[in-house]
Amino acid sequence: EDKVVQSPLSLVVHEGDTVTLNCSYEVTNFRSLLWYKQEKKAPTFLFMLTSSGIEKKSGRLSSILDKKELFSILNITATQTGDSAVYLCAVEADSNYQLIWGAGTKLIIKP
Amino acid sequence: DGGITQSPKYLFRKEGQNVTLSCEQNLNHDAMYWYRQDPGQGLRLIYYSQIVNDFQKGDIAEGYSVSREKKESFPLTVTSAQKNPTAFYLCASSRVVTSTWTQYFGPGTRLLVL
Repeated sequence: EDKVVQSPLSLVVHEGDTVTLNCSYEVTNFRSLLWYKQEKKAPTFLFMLTSSGIEKKSGRLSSILDKKELFSILNITATQTGDSAVYLCAVEADSNYQLIWGAGTKLIIKP
Repeated sequence: DGGITQSPKYLFRKEGQNVTLSCEQNLNHDAMYWYRQDPGQGLRLIYYSQIVNDFQKGDIAEGYSVSREKKESFPLTVTSAQKNPTAFYLCASSRVVTSTWTQYFGPGTRLLVL
């Protein structure tokens, strides 16, 4: 059965800290892995990763994929209170355009 | 502005009642999706549609129904057969382009049972 597992489930850090969120997966015919940030309502897209070892970067956020070990990490440096959110990982597998979602990591940044 | 709208923001359902959640997009996207989100769980796919007049069941379709009569609209009906409907419902759409795409989400509808 295809599955996506995120860890930790929740994380509390202080402003300025660096955090690393993990997403591991077991799917048939991997196509891509996506990271989303969900604050109060709709998830907003962060990154799409399809190739191993190529870092995607946007400001203080970066992500990388390891297709051999079947995981991805999302790094946030110099965290700010606005980074507090649930971070969702999803994997597209096969060719049916469906995403398999992880349960999310709830990140709380304390001032 | 282009985007996805969902209505209502909050919806209350009485026992035995069917309720319909609206989802509209003006992004000219081919594919549309309905997800259910419960606390501590990932998004679970209810139904999806890749083209007008066609839709497929997702992982938890029982107790739900959909229609796709227009490209822009993908309403979800929560029927009385859905015994535990209290959840946050998210609608999404995507432009299906070969192997790369992303889903864009609406603001969600929170359904509560009275």
